[in-house]
Amino acid sequence: SQQGEEDPQALSIQEGENATMNCSYKTSINNLQWYRQNSGRGLVHLILIRSNEREKHSGRLRVTLDTSKKSSSLLITASRAADTASYFCATATTNTGNQFYFGTGTSLTVIP
Amino acid sequence: GAVVSQHPSWVICKSGTSVKIECRSLDFQATTMFWYRQFPKQSLMLMATSNEGSKATYEQGVEKDKFLINHASLTLSTLTVTSAHPEDSSFYICSANGRQSGEEKLFFGSGTQLSVL
Repeated sequence: SQQGEEDPQALSIQEGENATMNCSYKTSINNLQWYRQNSGRGLVHLILIRSNEREKHSGRLRVTLDTSKKSSSLLITASRAADTASYFCATATTNTGNQFYFGTGTSLTVIP
Repeated sequence: GAVVSQHPSWVICKSGTSVKIECRSLDFQATTMFWYRQFPKQSLMLMATSNEGSKATYEQGVEKDKFLINHASLTLSTLTVTSAHPEDSSFYICSANGRQSGEEKLFFGSGTQLSVL
């Protein structure tokens, strides 16, 4: 089955607070990527972390990867109302080459 | 940056008709494109991997005769939903692998909302 589960499924925070969402996966991976989706739109790539990396930063985004626990987290600091969207993790596995499988997603609402 | 264009963005059709969705990589060559299906408030489910010049690889449970995929050139893949029925109503998204800033990423089309009456 396609892998990846995220929690929480939904998260509501006040503007300025930090938002943390987690992703777990099932098999060995080459890399893990986080994507953002606004309602009814395509996905936008946020950040990629390779299997030999443990932490990566990009602007207000911080991603961690724990391959021993098969999990990753995405932290958005100083959230803004414009960060309201669904966030998905996607994994490229050793066995599937360049195919990506998506997690179940976290719906983030940032209240102004 | 890499851009993927998907068309149409929204289509309504009668039950029994066929619908074609196009996915184009505008400024890069995509030997592989991917087709996903997404139900409301759910994740993306990979339907098939489209390979230029060869047959698509379908995920388990996806009917290849129902969802016809053609990848005739390095910049165009099409998904045809044949004899569409209301249960085929969904959001369909294509993507392609591209390279940006030295990293390989998936670039997504904006999606097609299919409504079958």
